[in-house]
Amino acid sequence: ETGVTQTPRHLVMGMTNKKSLKCEQHLGHNAMYWYKQSAKKPLELMFVYSLEERVENNSVPSRFSPECPNSSHLFLHLHTLQPEDSALYLCASSPTGTGYEKLFFGSGTQLSVL
Amino acid sequence: AQSVAQPEDQVNVAEGNPLTVKCTYSVSGNPYLFWYVQYPNRGLQFLLKYITGDNLVKGSYGFEAEFNKSQTSFHLKKPSALVSDSALYFCAVSSRLGGGYNKLIFGAGTRLAVHP
Repeated sequence: ETGVTQTPRHLVMGMTNKKSLKCEQHLGHNAMYWYKQSAKKPLELMFVYSLEERVENNSVPSRFSPECPNSSHLFLHLHTLQPEDSALYLCASSPTGTGYEKLFFGSGTQLSVL
Repeated sequence: AQSVAQPEDQVNVAEGNPLTVKCTYSVSGNPYLFWYVQYPNRGLQFLLKYITGDNLVKGSYGFEAEFNKSQTSFHLKKPSALVSDSALYFCAVSSRLGGGYNKLIFGAGTRLAVHP
């Protein structure tokens, strides 16, 4: 266990649905990240939060909406997704988001958009 | 812009043989390089990193990586492969954001298959 927990593990949704992905870390870290993993493509950084403030928004479509209510929790709200959004969504955390820290990843949410 | 390339989609090796998973990088300034491993249905796990110092970096599970500045490479190695090493391996480079923050830029990954 890495100390980063993601729920749900699997999610199937239609293009008109609204759903949310949840990430929780109990490591006392201040930085949290959302990555998208698609087959045979590099991991794509979506969002970075440090101390609940967004420090990076990597040109992600507005149908993805992040929320970081505190340094232990991170959400990704989804609405009107497209089939090409089907992927594994990974959450990660690190102590400060600065320096050259290693990231601690959750097991991911496998999302299928029908 | 910072980037890494993993030229092999898959590497096959027999158990007990040495393994190498290749990574090359393109950065401006000093490179800060990482290797992560992903087992099936799991997130990525940190293996090792190079920041400065000795070009041979030792990491978890018997893995090591050799930093080569002239060849801009950071290949992952293990002297004797195990079947349990079969997984997806990612090379990454650290890149600066604003405000003193950093992010990791990952390669596409290399699938390692170790055969008994």
